[in-house]
Amino acid sequence: EDQVTQSPEALRLQEGESSSLNCSYTVSGLRGLFWYRQDPGKGPEFLFTLYSAGEEKEKERLKATLTKKESFLHITAPKPEDSATYLCAPQETSGSRLTFGEGTQLTVNP
Amino acid sequence: NAGVMQNPRHLVRRRGQEARLRCSPVKGHSHVYWYRQLPEEGLKFMVYLQKENIIDESGMPKERFSAEFPKEGPSILRIQQVVRGDSAAYFCASSRSRENTIYFGEGSWLTVV
Repeated sequence: EDQVTQSPEALRLQEGESSSLNCSYTVSGLRGLFWYRQDPGKGPEFLFTLYSAGEEKEKERLKATLTKKESFLHITAPKPEDSATYLCAPQETSGSRLTFGEGTQLTVNP
Repeated sequence: NAGVMQNPRHLVRRRGQEARLRCSPVKGHSHVYWYRQLPEEGLKFMVYLQKENIIDESGMPKERFSAEFPKEGPSILRIQQVVRGDSAAYFCASSRSRENTIYFGEGSWLTVV
């Protein structure tokens, strides 16, 4: 069975204080690793898909990286508007479902 | 560009009633997924459908829950004889194919009283 663990569960940063979120996963075969952002009362908003170990993708202050067992979401000089829950979800080659982690709740204080 | 549209956004049902949640995928998307998010829990897969076919329903409770995605019209998630434990946010998502990006709607919040 697929397993996804995100850490830390919650992270509080000061504006401008860079950090990383971790996503550890176990799947039988990885088609892609998805990152989403979710604001309270809203649906998950797509950020990135990574397909192979060593791949990196960037969007504004966010950069996602992938290894064979982990993915990291690096946040550089965050702003209060980056506050949200960040979700990772691997997708198996054998199917289409996404298996979500519990998420990391990020709070960025001004 | 309209995204995934879900309605109603909020629904209140008494125990024993039926709840019907509707989802219109992104235009051109023929793959639809339903996920459930219980309070203080993560998103859990329920069912994956293509037009007129259920592809994977391994996450659906065996009783009272059903889903369809007809040739015409939105996908429907139907919950019969709702119980308090069904109170949750139900998210629909869609993709162009099984290899493409999966986009989520804003969710339907079901409260059972």
